[in-house]
Amino acid sequence: DAKTTQPNSMESNEEEPVHLPCNHSTISGTDYIHWYRQLPSQGPEYVIHGLTSNVNNRMASLAIAEDRKSSTLILHRATLRDAAVYYCILRDVLGSSNTGKLIFGQGTTLQVKP
Amino acid sequence: DGGITQSPKYLFRKEGQNVTLSCEQNLNHDAMYWYRQDPGQGLRLIYYSQIVNDFQKGDIAEGYSVSREKKESFPLTVTSAQKNPTAFYLCASSIVFSGRSAGNTIYFGEGSWLTVV
Repeated sequence: DAKTTQPNSMESNEEEPVHLPCNHSTISGTDYIHWYRQLPSQGPEYVIHGLTSNVNNRMASLAIAEDRKSSTLILHRATLRDAAVYYCILRDVLGSSNTGKLIFGQGTTLQVKP
Repeated sequence: DGGITQSPKYLFRKEGQNVTLSCEQNLNHDAMYWYRQDPGQGLRLIYYSQIVNDFQKGDIAEGYSVSREKKESFPLTVTSAQKNPTAFYLCASSIVFSGRSAGNTIYFGEGSWLTVV
């Protein structure tokens, strides 16, 4: 299974943009990049996903490097409610390694300062 | 509303006792998963199932057992063989993992806290 690497923690000031990086140097051509976030004592929630092109939704933007070996989750204006653990994971489209596994790494703990 | 329901939210287990955590989904998803999360740590996969009556071990299956008799239900039993079961347990589901479904969202329950007393 392809692995992802994220910084353990990051800090941001409220109302400022946040860029959360994720490295996935062993990504295959058929892996989707997914981002989830988890608030304390809750289950993770979906944020955004993409394959090759940059993606935007109401929560965030996802910037994918041209070689797809890294991606960045962008929160345009951080709020205190965005303080959470952010997970970057890969999901295989074609199932060449179709074990059905969903592997989560350690994630990045984002602190937002007022 | 559609979603995943885990119960109980909090559970206490005595030494040597088996306990079962419930996970029910009404999303019509084929795939279901169980994860364990220790304080300050990421999620680790215990078991997963892509279809009724079939399931596979994840990375930390020892001391746990599951069943998948119905599409909507995937209960997890924490057996007495699990030496350190105190943790936060999360159940998840998704459309079966193939083709375009890799772009589909994974849904999680609210989690169950298990403590050994």
